[in-house]
Amino acid sequence: SQQGEEDPQALSIQEGENATMNCSYKTSINNLQWYRQNSGRGLVHLILIRSNEREKHSGRLRVTLDTSKKSSSLLITASRAADTASYFCATDYSSASKIIFGSGTRLSIRP
Amino acid sequence: DSGVTQTPKHLITATGQRVTLRCSPRSGDLSVYWYQQSLDQGLQFLIQYYNGEERAKGNILERFSAQQFPDLHSELNLSSLELGDSALYFCASSGRGTFKPNTGELFFGEGSRLTVL
Repeated sequence: SQQGEEDPQALSIQEGENATMNCSYKTSINNLQWYRQNSGRGLVHLILIRSNEREKHSGRLRVTLDTSKKSSSLLITASRAADTASYFCATDYSSASKIIFGSGTRLSIRP
Repeated sequence: DSGVTQTPKHLITATGQRVTLRCSPRSGDLSVYWYQQSLDQGLQFLIQYYNGEERAKGNILERFSAQQFPDLHSELNLSSLELGDSALYFCASSGRGTFKPNTGELFFGEGSRLTVL
């Protein structure tokens, strides 16, 4: 498969809790990005982390990257109902001029 | 608004037919990417163009073809359509102000929803 693996496939949490989703990839990358997709809509870029970075923050988002394990995680703190969406990681592989998306995590926030 | 425009938004056609999906990238972006998203699935990379030239290919079927024109808009042609081709087709662009094909953030259009009956 050309896709990376995301875990979990689906996540349901209470509003106010933190949500963590993970992404694993296969080969060396230049950078890794996270995107959000509301149902049936276009994807929206959230954050980009470069291969030489280990952690990055943007508002309530925290992204980590472990190149030795070829994995990344996205943490959304203090979740809100509006965070309900699918979240995808995307990798820019060093060896190929492609940006490949993972299979996504579907996040549901319960009121 | 991402600045990427895709037309048509919805398209219903029959098996065996041919359709063309159009993408106008964000002003100044040189790279255009095409992705296919089947129902509740991830995005499958189809093809990338950079400044008019094909840059990378994914698992694009031989029945599908694409091109990027001198004005940087792109078209994805799907022929001999099958039921399984029903999906959302996304175009994304990037690369404003740079000569590097992959420079980070992709800007996505709202997609073209193709239904093959």
